[in-house]
Parts: sequence; C-alpha cells; structure tokens
Amino acid sequence: QVQLQESGPGLVKPSETLSLTCAVSGYSISSGYYWGWIRQPPGKGLEWIGSIFHSGTTYYNPSLKSRVTISVDTSKNQFSLKLSSVTAADTAVYYCVRSLVGATTSFDYWGQGNLVTVSS
Amino acid sequence: SYELTQPPSVSVSPGQTASITCSGDRLGDKYASWYQQKPGQSPVVVIHQDDKRPSGIPERFSGSNSGNTATLTISGTQAMDEADYYCQAWDSSTVVFGGGTKLTVL
Repeated sequence: QVQLQESGPGLVKPSETLSLTCAVSGYSISSGYYWGWIRQPPGKGLEWIGSIFHSGTTYYNPSLKSRVTISVDTSKNQFSLKLSSVTAADTAVYYCVRSLVGATTSFDYWGQGNLVTVSS
Repeated sequence: SYELTQPPSVSVSPGQTASITCSGDRLGDKYASWYQQKPGQSPVVVIHQDDKRPSGIPERFSGSNSGNTATLTISGTQAMDEADYYCQAWDSSTVVFGGGTKLTVL
C-alpha cells in the first residue's frame, strides 16, 4: 500500500522559506509517476503547487513558480517543497501527492496533510 | 489562464440522484477527474479520465465529459456522500482545480 507522509514546521515567519518533506513508503519513487504538492487554505479550495518526476523534470503552477522549488531524493525515497518569501496568504494545509502528469493527470494517493501557518 | 467553474452548493434527498457540474472552455477535449473531500480528511479521487472509477469507489459514482461541461453523477445518494467535490483537469502543462461544490444530503 502506497503511503505518503508530510513533515515540517507548522509555523513559519513572514518573508521566510517554508520547507516540507514527503516520505513515500510502499512504492519506489524511481519506479515512475510524478510526485507533487497541493495546498488548501483554511475553508477554501485546492491549489496545485507543482510536481516532479524522479529524473528531476518539474512542472509548476505559474502563479507560484517564482517562489517554488520541488526536489526529489531517490536514495531516501522522499521529495521536498520549498516556498520562499511566504506571507499570510500561504497559510494552508499542504498535501503531498502522487500522480501521472499530462492529459490523464489525476492524484491517486495523498498524504494526510500538514497545516502550515505563516505568522510572526 | 484556464478556469473550471463549479456551483458552490448542490442539495439532494437521500436515494435520489445528485449531479455536480464543472464547466470550462472545451473541457470535453481534456480529461476530467473528480475528488471527494470530507471534513478533516484528505481528498479522494472518485472519477478519473472522465468516467473511470478507481478500485474501491462505489458504482453509484459515475462521470461524463462533453462540450464545455464535465458532470459527476451520484446515483442513489447516501448520507455518507455528503462532502465537498472538486473537479480537476490538465491544461497547458498545469493542473487546474474547480472551486469546489458542497454536496448536502437532506
């Protein structure tokens, strides 16, 4: 059974960098699929942040692209998110996900979510 | 940028059929997926590639996509189906989500 588990600080100060890691179990990242991040502000809808393939190919949401870096560590079977220059608008539950990418994109496995609050 | 539009809310009586729409320019030329999210839980995909139901999803969930509209249909709606539902598509190398629809079963 594929499982994804986010980890990282729950509180980040404005202007700093948000960093989260997603540990994958039950499936090798190197075997395929894309691995990504989706966020959900409290009481609001879903927003895709970006996705990465084990080779390093990435796709990013254009609205966040200038602040986002997604990386993968196949040796640890995990991938990470960095979001720079955060503001209160970046407060959200951050989910790590598995998906295909392209026309048939859908997200079949989700982590439990990690609430990140941006506040001083 | 591409946009997907969903009604904010839909109500249905138990046992009846619920239909949730998702509209976007020439959406029928793309694949649509649908996610169910219950309070405090992570979303779950209920339909992918327009009309494919993942293993473990009840047969009462079905999907269609044509023209500018994708539709999620829940037949014989149960109280446990009350949740938020989101449509999603891929456009210009990005993932797009609809704003979500709250399904109330009453």
